[in-house]
Parts: sequence; C-alpha cells; structure tokens
Amino acid sequence: GESVGLHLPTLSVQEGDNSIINCAYSNSASDYFIWYKQESGKGPQFIIDIRSNMDKRQGQRVTVLLNKTVKHLSLQIAATQPGDSAVYFCAETYSGGGADGLTFGKGTHLIIQP
Amino acid sequence: SQTIHQWPATLVQPVGSPLSLECTVEGTSNPNLYWYRQAAGRGLQLLFYSVGIGQISSEVPQNLSASRPQDRQFILSSKKLLLSDSGFYLCAWSGIAGSTYNSPLHFGNGTRLTVT
Repeated sequence: GESVGLHLPTLSVQEGDNSIINCAYSNSASDYFIWYKQESGKGPQFIIDIRSNMDKRQGQRVTVLLNKTVKHLSLQIAATQPGDSAVYFCAETYSGGGADGLTFGKGTHLIIQP
Repeated sequence: SQTIHQWPATLVQPVGSPLSLECTVEGTSNPNLYWYRQAAGRGLQLLFYSVGIGQISSEVPQNLSASRPQDRQFILSSKKLLLSDSGFYLCAWSGIAGSTYNSPLHFGNGTRLTVT
C-alpha cells in the first residue's frame, strides 16, 4: 500500500513541556487514522483515532489534528511526563480497505528529559 | 472490557524446531484477528488475518502458518523455524469483522522469538 511516514525519528522534550509528533500520509483515499504508543518490550497501545470528517479530536492530555489538504496528521501531548517516553506511530486506512487495509508508519521515539 | 492474551512473552528456539504461539481474546465476539511481525527500527508487517473461524488470509509467503480453531483463539505456527523467523510477534484484534475501517486494532504484548 501507500506509505505512511514520520518527519522526525527522535523527539526530545523537557518534562512538563508539550510534544508534537507529526505524520504524513500519501493515500488521499485514507479516511481513518490512529495513533499508537509503544513502550519498550510491549505491544502498541491505542491512544486516539480520528475520522476524516473531523480535523481535531481531543483525549486526555492528547490532541490529534488532521489536515487533509496537505495529508498531514499530528499528535499533541500536553505537559509531558516521564511515562510518555515511548515510540509513537500513526496508522491509516480507508473505507473498503478490508482487514488488510491498515498501514503503519515506522514511529517516532519520544524522549522525556527530566 | 476486552482483553487480549499472548504467550509466551519470550521464546528461544533452535533452527529447525517447531513453533506455536497462541493468542486469545476475551470480552468480544467474532473479532478480526491478526498476526504481525515487528522488526527493530521497522514498521509492523501483517502476516495473517482472520475474519472468522477457520478463515485465514496470508499476506506474505513465508515459513509460518496460522490457524483459528475457535472464535477468539489465533495460533501462529511453524513446522521448522529458520534464523530469519526471529523477531517480535504481535497478535491483535479489531471489533468490526472483515474490516479495519472505523475500528482500531488492539494489540497483545507480543512474543520475542529468537531462533538460534
């Protein structure tokens, strides 16, 4: 399938600051997007998702922004904590994509500095 | 609530030995089930998915096979492991049978397989 990629492989932020992790996608038909968090040695954990009829969705300390014009997705984490250190990656799929229609990016490693 | 169990967490096997990794899901019915492999520094590679009992779709030709003997049980197997089978194997489920649309995948905690 088409690629989903990340702008920065590693992001280092100070504890308490806000983090922004970016993701670009190339399939203009994609209409459902997901962010995952993966801690070392564990499976990916679902954080938040967004459908293409929305441009913003908020969760607890996290916000996902979708810009369909430039095919860009971002994850904002407010007031980062040590427990936020992990690899974050986005995924995208499209209506009719089927069970194998999900494409994952490679991930950004978020490092929280004390 | 739904939970997914995957075991073992780590496994070291010699080349040529058989493999059986098991995954079970609780708290949902007729889920889509998936096996992924994650190589270091690379993305998730879909190996198999299943939309129902006995229904298995393979994404890549390989030394592995999958089976779904029960609605919420998914097994990854090999008759003879190769060195290249080493990796981090993840089982996942999604809530809408037959599609990943509008329904996120939920992953287990993976099995780290080392073939020696």
